[in-house]
Amino acid sequence: ETGVTQSPTHLIKTRGQQVTLRCSSQSGHNTVSWYQQALGQGPQFIFQYYREEENGRGNFPPRFSGLQYPNYRSVRNVIALELDDSALYLCASSSDRASYNEQFFGPGTRLTVL
Amino acid sequence: AQSVTQLDSHVSVSEGTPVLLRCNYSSSYSPSLFWYVQHPNKGLQLLLKYTSAATLVKGINGFEAEFKKSETSFHLTKPSAHMSDAAEYFCVVSDRNTGNQFYFGTGTSLTVIP
Repeated sequence: ETGVTQSPTHLIKTRGQQVTLRCSSQSGHNTVSWYQQALGQGPQFIFQYYREEENGRGNFPPRFSGLQYPNYRSVRNVIALELDDSALYLCASSSDRASYNEQFFGPGTRLTVL
Repeated sequence: AQSVTQLDSHVSVSEGTPVLLRCNYSSSYSPSLFWYVQHPNKGLQLLLKYTSAATLVKGINGFEAEFKKSETSFHLTKPSAHMSDAAEYFCVVSDRNTGNQFYFGTGTSLTVIP
C-alpha cells in the first residue's frame, strides 16, 4: 500500500508568482488536509477536502486554494505567493473526517519565496 | 475553539532516564488527542492517540500518555530514553465540532545525551 506522496520536494519562487503543490493520498482515503509549517513552529491547518468539497478552512486567505479530484487520491494546493509563505507544506490523508481518525502525513514540499 | 499548549519547547535527558513531555489542551467538546513525532527530514509519524476509550494510552516505541480531563492534560512519557528518540514531538487536538481538522502545539524538541 502506497503512503501519502507529495510533489515537488523543493521549490524556489519569487513574490507574486503562483505555485501548485500536489498530493496523492493513501489508497481508500477520502479526506485530505493541508498544513503550513514555518521554521521552528508546529503545523497550522490550512484547509481540508472531503469527497471533493472543501470541509473547513483555517486562518488562511482565499489566495490559498485547493482542489480534490474525483478519484479522491490527488489534491492540489495553489498559492499566489507572498514573502512569508516560505514554509514546509504538509499534506495528510485520513479514512474519513471523524475527529478520532489518524492522519497520515506526506514528507512535505519545502517552499522558499524570494 | 481548540488549542494545545506544549509547556516545554526543549527537553534534554540522558540516555536511559525517563522522558516527560507536557501538553495541555483546550476543547469545547470531548477531544481526540494525538502525539506525533517528526525526525529531521522525515514525515510526521503517529506515536499514539486518545479517543475516549482508556485514559492511559500506549503507543509505539515504549511511549505512553495519560488523558486527565480534570487537568486538561495529555502528557507523553517513556520510562527509558534511547538515542533514537531525539526528535521534535507535537501534541495535537481535534474534536467533533470540527471533525478531522488537527490543531498542533508548537512542539517540544527532545535531546538525548549519551
